[in-house]
Amino acid sequence: DADVTQTPRNRITKTGKRIMLECSQTKGHDRMYWYRQDPGLGLRLIYYSFDVKDINKGEISDGYSVSRQAQAKFSLSLESAIPNQTALYFCATSDPGLAGGSNEQFFGPGTRLTVL
Amino acid sequence: GQNIDQPTEMTATEGAIVQINCTYQTSGFNGLFWYQQHAGEAPTFLSYNVLDGLEEKGRFSSFLSRSKGYSYLLLKELQMKDSASYLCAVRPISGNTPLVFGKGTRLSVIA
Repeated sequence: DADVTQTPRNRITKTGKRIMLECSQTKGHDRMYWYRQDPGLGLRLIYYSFDVKDINKGEISDGYSVSRQAQAKFSLSLESAIPNQTALYFCATSDPGLAGGSNEQFFGPGTRLTVL
Repeated sequence: GQNIDQPTEMTATEGAIVQINCTYQTSGFNGLFWYQQHAGEAPTFLSYNVLDGLEEKGRFSSFLSRSKGYSYLLLKELQMKDSASYLCAVRPISGNTPLVFGKGTRLSVIA
């Protein structure tokens, strides 16, 4: 069963269009994250949220915005898409858990976005 | 600042042992993670080290030396399905910060 889901899985759009990527989770985790992955650059953090209405910028937040209106949902928006935002986007969740626990991040299946 | 280094690519033979190294320089340290990622798929959690020493889990083991800022992932009895990228990630401070990822090591297992 898919604990972290992302929609759409693939999207092709044009420069200047507004795009929203959705992430939903059934793990009951408070913490959610958005990363992008580019060849040779690894996973880079865009935004993260530790609770509903809590929003924090990551390493590369310019050109992106997010919304966390429910514990289970965290959406990423590209207000005006540009070609260098072509990438694989991952949502992830984690649980603060107990002190000393691993509290690893669980990833969704990814959204492949192409901006022409 | 945060800096995590790992080799870009490695090749190993089916049935052999391979060691993937990771060095880190971060503003703090509260745990090191290894993830496996097959091409086009999501990263999946492999191991977690927060204290010095070796953690063994089946064919995979992970080692940590906090004083040296160094970890390695050891894969034994390599199988073709182990061909994937292996991501090293550090949690810089206590549980309230996201993981910082290295760029990953792409491992190719050949017959």
